[in-house]
Amino acid sequence: GESVGLHLPTLSVQEGDNSIINCAYSNSASDYFIWYKQESGKGPQFIIDIRSNMDKRQGQRVTVLLNKTVKHLSLQIAATQPGDSAVYFCAEANLLTSGTYKYIFGTGTRLKVLA
Amino acid sequence: SAVISQKPSRDICQRGTSLTIQCQVDSQVTMMFWYRQQPGQSLTLIATANQGSEATYESGFVIDKFPISRPNLTFSTLTVSNMSPEDSSIYLCSVVGGLAPYEQYFGPGTRLTVT
Repeated sequence: GESVGLHLPTLSVQEGDNSIINCAYSNSASDYFIWYKQESGKGPQFIIDIRSNMDKRQGQRVTVLLNKTVKHLSLQIAATQPGDSAVYFCAEANLLTSGTYKYIFGTGTRLKVLA
Repeated sequence: SAVISQKPSRDICQRGTSLTIQCQVDSQVTMMFWYRQQPGQSLTLIATANQGSEATYESGFVIDKFPISRPNLTFSTLTVSNMSPEDSSIYLCSVVGGLAPYEQYFGPGTRLTVT
């Protein structure tokens, strides 16, 4: 199917190498930061999250780093595989007084894994 | 995790017409969200739909243009009214759930092209 994000910044990585995808966020009061992966023709899929009071969180082959000083979020993917090819979005989640969350999505980065 | 389906998956419509997009969830959820993803762009929240109440629209989106129905806890519709080529986008519905209250699950999206 057709891809989303045809004009998004692209990161090309050799298979087996590590990938680092960066994101700048806007709201220093955001409660959680989340990374989503969107494959062609599909909706975004939750990858990993980090709470605002943390600096680092590790998952399976993925690590998220949060630098609140410069409002910067990064997603590191170890040993990048062809199946990692997708568009990656960061998002901020803010807890509202109603008890619900409001989400703001970043611009996205296309990751291309080269064989 | 919630499984979400959307209909139609894609459509090509004439300007001035309307299209209703359906979103079905396999479990009961209180809140459903509708997003728009324009070509090469990130996700923009259109509105939040709670069962039994009027949808809450984000700045720049109005009910006359994007009427939403939420007849029960597993279903919602978004209508794109009086379409113009600028409405060409992917429209996504999502719900929150899972282990974290801010974790969103997205449908596969509806790709709309207006000619």
